[in-house]
Amino acid sequence: AQSVTQLGSHVSVSEGALVLLRCNYSSSVPPYLFWYVQYPNQGLQLLLKYTSAATLVKGINGFEAEFKKSETSFHLTKPSAHMSDAAEYFCAVTHSGGYQKVTFGTGTKLQVIP
Amino acid sequence: GAGVSQSPSNKVTEKGKDVELRCDPISGHTALYWYRQSLGQGLEFLIYFQGNSAPDKSGLPSDRFSAERTGGSVSTLTIQRTQQEDSAVYLCASRGLAGGHEQFFGPGTRLTVL
Repeated sequence: AQSVTQLGSHVSVSEGALVLLRCNYSSSVPPYLFWYVQYPNQGLQLLLKYTSAATLVKGINGFEAEFKKSETSFHLTKPSAHMSDAAEYFCAVTHSGGYQKVTFGTGTKLQVIP
Repeated sequence: GAGVSQSPSNKVTEKGKDVELRCDPISGHTALYWYRQSLGQGLEFLIYFQGNSAPDKSGLPSDRFSAERTGGSVSTLTIQRTQQEDSAVYLCASRGLAGGHEQFFGPGTRLTVL
């Protein structure tokens, strides 16, 4: 069984401030973890992924996330928010082998205040 | 193709009518997923295809919903006797055998049932 919890359905940050979007997972087997971004009226786009290699993962648009097994977390960060970062962000978990059902979190809508 | 495509992009229908939503996955991708995204909600898994088979249909909300995939490529999601609660964005994603297990999403079909 696997699940994902995203804390905070809405997060507001000022332009230039740190972005921190939280994701905690539950998985009975070693997980693969993903962050996706969804801009208005578009599909989801992969930001970054963790697949059991380096625990600090860098993605597109300056985002990164760190896999912390002890905390079962995979929080998404960006040092300095841009207006273009305003979007909805989804954390997802799956695992290797066999049928790979992907479980998504409920999403966090990021607002960037000028 | 270059990416996952879905048609139509928007569909407005009357309650009680049947609708068909189409997904063209990335060429060569064997896995195909359908999700539903209602306003303000996360992604709700509907059905998964591996080739032409659907080993996981557990997310289909009722027997009014069905899906098929032919030739290991195009998939059609059919909703019979549509209800207003079926209004949502329907997203399709595909995944290849190789790579890091990420899904590639189409832009979605926005269904409005009047």
